[in-house]
Amino acid sequence: AQSVTQLGSHVSVSEGALVLLRCNYSSSVPPYLFWYVQYPNQGLQLLLKYTSAATLVKGINGFEAEFKKSETSFHLTKPSAHMSDAAEYFCAVSEGFQKLVFGTGTRLLVSP
Amino acid sequence: SAVISQKPSRDICQRGTSLTIQCQVDSQVTMMFWYRQQPGQSLTLIATANQGSEATYESGFVIDKFPISRPNLTFSTLTVSNMSPEDSSIYLCSVPPGQGTPGTQYFGPGTRLTVL
Repeated sequence: AQSVTQLGSHVSVSEGALVLLRCNYSSSVPPYLFWYVQYPNQGLQLLLKYTSAATLVKGINGFEAEFKKSETSFHLTKPSAHMSDAAEYFCAVSEGFQKLVFGTGTRLLVSP
Repeated sequence: SAVISQKPSRDICQRGTSLTIQCQVDSQVTMMFWYRQQPGQSLTLIATANQGSEATYESGFVIDKFPISRPNLTFSTLTVSNMSPEDSSIYLCSVPPGQGTPGTQYFGPGTRLTVL
């Protein structure tokens, strides 16, 4: 079965600093990988997705992620954090044609 | 992307009662998914609801506890039956886009349930 591991339940950065949220996956077949964001008291919003095309994927709000097969990783980055980026971030891998398996989430805290 | 609404947005219920959560999509979709997000935890898939057939439940979830209806291609309900405090969670429905990547899903805003 496919699985996702997110290292760090909380990540704290200063405004303007680099954001790095880590995600490693386990899959016996080429995976589809996703990052979702959940703002307080809201549903999940798709940030970006890897679909076996370009390994560097750009998403909304300045986020991007790089698929590294050799490291089984799909880390999420943003060059400069903004206060509005404070949220919960979930990495997910597709299982079967439409199922999603989520990681445990990483809460991003941004300080002024 | 699909526009998904859920009712109620939140509720506080007494143990032993049942709550039915509605999910409405602005377009016709074959598959709808129901997830549970327990406090401080990630999302867990409860079941997949296909129109015209029985829902498919994941391991650990049973129809008697979480009956699902799917009367048409834009609507589904999830009932949380005989509730206990352990059922306190956010319940979310999601749908895949009409054409897109396997695994891509759009989520509703969720229903925040508290069981006393």
